[in-house]
Amino acid sequence: ETGVTQSPTHLIKTRGQQVTLRCSSQSGHNTVSWYQQALGQGPQFIFQYYREEENGRGNFPPRFSGLQFPNYSSELNVNALELDDSALYLCASSTRTGLNTGELFFGEGSRLTVL
Amino acid sequence: SQKIEQNSEALNIQEGKTATLTCNYTNYSPAYLQWYRQDPGRGPVFLLLIRENEKEKRKERLKVTFDTTLKQSLFHITASQPADSATYLCALDMRSGYSTLTFGKGTMLLVSP
Repeated sequence: ETGVTQSPTHLIKTRGQQVTLRCSSQSGHNTVSWYQQALGQGPQFIFQYYREEENGRGNFPPRFSGLQFPNYSSELNVNALELDDSALYLCASSTRTGLNTGELFFGEGSRLTVL
Repeated sequence: SQKIEQNSEALNIQEGKTATLTCNYTNYSPAYLQWYRQDPGRGPVFLLLIRENEKEKRKERLKVTFDTTLKQSLFHITASQPADSATYLCALDMRSGYSTLTFGKGTMLLVSP
């Protein structure tokens, strides 16, 4: 167990709807990253939050947005859902210090199906 | 264009043998290279990290090599066990310490008794 928890674990939405996914990071970690993993593919980097500010973004449109809260938990919001947004959404926490090894601690993911 | 390539076909080996997985990349200059294990329906689990100035790293039955000239990493599992069956993901970290990883598609390893 990594100590990273995500909710919900599964959800179904229809095209055009909006979704919010939540993540609680591992204790002591100040950085949260979100990844999208389509079936049969590797995780794709969406964005990263450090101290409540976005710190790096992958090739995803603005309808993918996020937040990080003072307790380092985070949300991923996706507006105007499309069929291709169906995927496993992974949250990963890490810590940025002088001794940062760079490894990520992933949650078990939220499986989103868009119909 | 930038590309990370891992064996797309599943690797089938017998218990006790050494499994070797390959990760090749083009048009990247990573600061770190990492390997993760992923079981079906689960999140990836960190295994090993190797820095650009390191050639080899070991952890128990696992060994990773990193050749920045060939732009290749090899991941070895010695004395493989059925419990090692999973998908193994290679990931590149471009910015030292920022952990913004670019993943390959992964290679499925199947270890038969």
